[in-house]
Amino acid sequence: QQQVKQSPQSLIVQKGGISIINCAYENTAFDYFPWYQQFPGKGPALLIAIRPDVSEKKEGRFTISFNKSAKQFSLHIMDSQPGDSATYFCAAETRFRAGNNRKLIWGLGTSLAVNP
Amino acid sequence: DVKVTQSSRYLVKRTGEKVFLECVQDMDHENMFWYRQDPGLGLRLIYFSYDVKMKEKGDIPEGYSVSREKKERFSLILESASTNQTSMYLCASRLRRNNEKLFFGSGTQLSVL
Repeated sequence: QQQVKQSPQSLIVQKGGISIINCAYENTAFDYFPWYQQFPGKGPALLIAIRPDVSEKKEGRFTISFNKSAKQFSLHIMDSQPGDSATYFCAAETRFRAGNNRKLIWGLGTSLAVNP
Repeated sequence: DVKVTQSSRYLVKRTGEKVFLECVQDMDHENMFWYRQDPGLGLRLIYFSYDVKMKEKGDIPEGYSVSREKKERFSLILESASTNQTSMYLCASRLRRNNEKLFFGSGTQLSVL
């Protein structure tokens, strides 16, 4: 049973536009929500992450918006650039288990293409 | 920066062969993970290890085993490779406490013929 649902599966945006990727989760015990970015031929790399005590986190052109009551979080890429073309994964995690036994629950990924 | 190195970028094996995928990290991380990535299926956890000689099954452990004899090295073993194990395999590591960031290797594209 997939616990983190990510949409859309693919996204095409024009240069300078806003890219928005959404994720919804079920487990209210989740307390850490990262986004990973993966370029072709590379492993994913942490882009930005948020904890549920804040509703928004911004790093440069990348912003996470978090809605605890709706159990949703989203990634906004402002002024999207061709270099942002990549696959984006959302994820969620709980630390309620003993510290060594946490594991990330992943969304299925969004392939973003930014046209020049 | 943390470096997670996977021994092979591309690997071609025959059905029934025993396959070893090696992963080494250089930052004394206690947690290490093996994922496989398939189009449309995202990242699926095969096994993870939170300490030397410790291992725990992930979501899809069938047909795989792992070995962690040293802290820096985590090996994924396909006992008898099958064509449905053709995939991209990604190794990742992270610190045990107060650091949830995962560091990934560049992956091994395994083809089983």
